[in-house]
Amino acid sequence: DGGITQSPKYLFRKEGQNVTLSCEQNLNHDAMYWYRQDPGQGLRLIYYSQIVNDFQKGDIAEGYSVSREKKESFPLTVTSAQKNPTAFYLCASSYRGINEKLFFGSGTQLSVL
Amino acid sequence: GESVGLHLPTLSVQEGDNSIINCAYSNSASDYFIWYKQESGKGPQFIIDIRSNMDKRQGQRVTVLLNKTVKHLSLQIAATQPGDSAVYFCAENIDSGYSTLTFGKGTMLLVSP
Repeated sequence: DGGITQSPKYLFRKEGQNVTLSCEQNLNHDAMYWYRQDPGQGLRLIYYSQIVNDFQKGDIAEGYSVSREKKESFPLTVTSAQKNPTAFYLCASSYRGINEKLFFGSGTQLSVL
Repeated sequence: GESVGLHLPTLSVQEGDNSIINCAYSNSASDYFIWYKQESGKGPQFIIDIRSNMDKRQGQRVTVLLNKTVKHLSLQIAATQPGDSAVYFCAENIDSGYSTLTFGKGTMLLVSP
C-alpha cells in the first residue's frame, strides 16, 4: 500500500463512544487526507493537511476531528456527534500539493455495535 | 444535493477481451486526470494519469484517452484478466489550483474466465 499504514483494519464503535483511526506514512509526503467511502459511492473528503500543525475541513467534516503533530501521522477521531459512522475510511498522502496524485492506505472498516 | 446510489455501473467482459471504462468529468477547467483501481476491501491503487496537453497516454496494458471537447475520459485495458476485476474510478483536478481531487463514483469491472 505504498508506505501508508492504516490501523486497525476493522473497528467497532459503541453508541456515544469516540474512536480513533490511525494513519502513518513513511513516504516523506507533505500532504495527508482522510476520505469516507460508503457502498456504491465515490470518495468524500473529511479533512486534509498540507503541513504539520495545520489542517482543513473537507466536504463532510462534521462529527470528525484530526490532528497533525508529526509529518508522518494523521489520526482521525470519529466522535459521538457523527450519527452515521459506519463506512470504509481511507487515508491518503501526496508528495507536496493537494492537486497531486494520491497514494492510499488499505482502509479501516468502522461499524457501529 | 448529493446523489446516492448503491449500485455502480458494471462492465462485464470475458478474459482476453479489451475493456473500455468511461468517465465524464465535470469541470471544464480541469487539466489533470487520474485513474484508480480499487479491489474489494482494499485502498485505491494508482493506475495512470494524464494532463490536458495530451490526448492519449499508454502504460502497461492500459491506455487513457482524453477528449476535452466533450469532457470525457476513458481507460482501455488490453487483454483483460480476472485479476483486473475491481472498481475503477477517475479523478480530476486543476493542476495549478488550490483544490483537492474530485473523484467519480466508479465503474465495476467483472472479468469472467
